[in-house]
Amino acid sequence: AQSVTQLDSHVSVSEGTPVLLRCNYSSSYSPSLFWYVQHPNKGLQLLLKYTSAATLVKGINGFEAEFKKSETSFHLTKPSAHMSDAAEYFCVVSRRAGGGADGLTFGKGTHLIIQP
Amino acid sequence: GAGVSQSPSNKVTEKGKDVELRCDPISGHTALYWYRQSLGQGLEFLIYFQGNSAPDKSGLPSDRFSAERTGGSVSTLTIQRTQQEDSAVYLCASSLGWSSLAGTQETQYFGPGTRLLVL
Repeated sequence: AQSVTQLDSHVSVSEGTPVLLRCNYSSSYSPSLFWYVQHPNKGLQLLLKYTSAATLVKGINGFEAEFKKSETSFHLTKPSAHMSDAAEYFCVVSRRAGGGADGLTFGKGTHLIIQP
Repeated sequence: GAGVSQSPSNKVTEKGKDVELRCDPISGHTALYWYRQSLGQGLEFLIYFQGNSAPDKSGLPSDRFSAERTGGSVSTLTIQRTQQEDSAVYLCASSLGWSSLAGTQETQYFGPGTRLLVL
């Protein structure tokens, strides 16, 4: 089974400063990797997903993530935080390696706090 | 277009009763998934359906949990003899399955969830 580890349960940054949310994955080969966001009392929304086409993935709301196979990492970044970015962020991977539809395995989440 | 819808949005039940949770996926999506989100366990996969294939039930926590998908569209998750530890938000998602072109899973779109409270 594939897994992800989110290295920080909480991250606090000031508005206008960069955001870094860290994620490491465990996979036998090229995984299906995603970042989802969950705002308070809202549903899960896809931020971005990794495909083999590019290691630097751009998502919505100015977020991006870089797939680094040598480090088995898929960290999420944003150059400048906005108050509306305050939410729970999940790093996600397919449960099993290989092709075909499958359920997802979620990390434990990182709670992003934006200080005014 | 319409997203994934779930009903009811909230359900309160007594321990030992059966409950049914409904999911309407995005039209045309062949794959449908159920997850559970609770404070103690985080987000957990329960079961998924892909086309006409037999469902993958490997995430179901006990035999009190079952799900079906009628006509390849609407799905119902049933919990029999509910226990207090079943209290959670139950999330449904749907997708187009697998992208051979991209070599990755297609995006799963999530519904708003059903918040279940077992007293």
